[in-house]
Amino acid sequence: AQSVTQPDIHITVSEGASLELRCNYSYGATPYLFWYVQSPGQGLQLLLKYFSGDTLVQGIKGFEAEFKRSQSSFNLRKPSVHWSDAAEYFCAVVADSGAGSYQLTFGKGTKLSVIP
Amino acid sequence: DTAVSQTPKYLVTQMGNDKSIKCEQNLGHDTMYWYKQDSKKFLKIMFSYNNKELIINETVPNRFSPKSPDKAHLNLHINSLELGDSAVYFCASRKANKADTQYFGPGTRLTVL
Repeated sequence: AQSVTQPDIHITVSEGASLELRCNYSYGATPYLFWYVQSPGQGLQLLLKYFSGDTLVQGIKGFEAEFKRSQSSFNLRKPSVHWSDAAEYFCAVVADSGAGSYQLTFGKGTKLSVIP
Repeated sequence: DTAVSQTPKYLVTQMGNDKSIKCEQNLGHDTMYWYKQDSKKFLKIMFSYNNKELIINETVPNRFSPKSPDKAHLNLHINSLELGDSAVYFCASRKANKADTQYFGPGTRLTVL
C-alpha cells in the first residue's frame, strides 16, 4: 500500500531564510505527487504537483519541489520565506483504489512557523 | 464563483444527534470525495464518488452515509453522533485523469458535545 512520510512535524525559520520540507513516499508504480498548503482555518490549496517529465517542478508562491526516484523523495523548497508562508504543509501521493477513484494519501503534515 | 463549497462551515451538536454536511462543486468534475482531518491534522479519505457511484468506502462506521443526488453534489449524513466524530470534514473534487488536481472545499468543523 502507498504511504507518505513527512519526517518533520514542526519547522521554524526566520523570514528571508531558505526552506526545505521533506517528503518520502512508498508506492509501487510511478507516483503522482502533490504538495498542498493549509493556512489556519482554511482549506487545502495546491502548491505544485509532479507526474512525469522534468523532475524539478515549479509551483505557486515561489515554491519548487524535486522528485528523486532513487531516494523516493519529493522535497519542497523555497529560497526566501515570507511571514505569510506560515501554515501546515502536506505531501500526498495519488493511489488508485479501483474504478478510477484516485484518492490522495497524505503525509501527517509539517507545520511551518516563521520568525519575523 | 467558489469552486468547491461546503455548508455549514461550523457545526456544533450534541451526542446522539443526526446531522448532514453539504458539498457542491461547480467545476464539472467527475469525482468527489470526503476526507476527515483529525485533531492532529491528519487527513484521511472517507468516501469517493465517481459519476454518482460510490467506488471506495474506507473503513468508516456505517453511521456515516454519503449521498450524491447528482454529479455536482456530495452530501455526508452522520447518524448518532459520537464525541470521536469531532473533526474537520473536507469535500474535494477532481476530473477523471489520474494527474488531475483535487480541489478542496473550505472544510466543515464538526464539534460533538
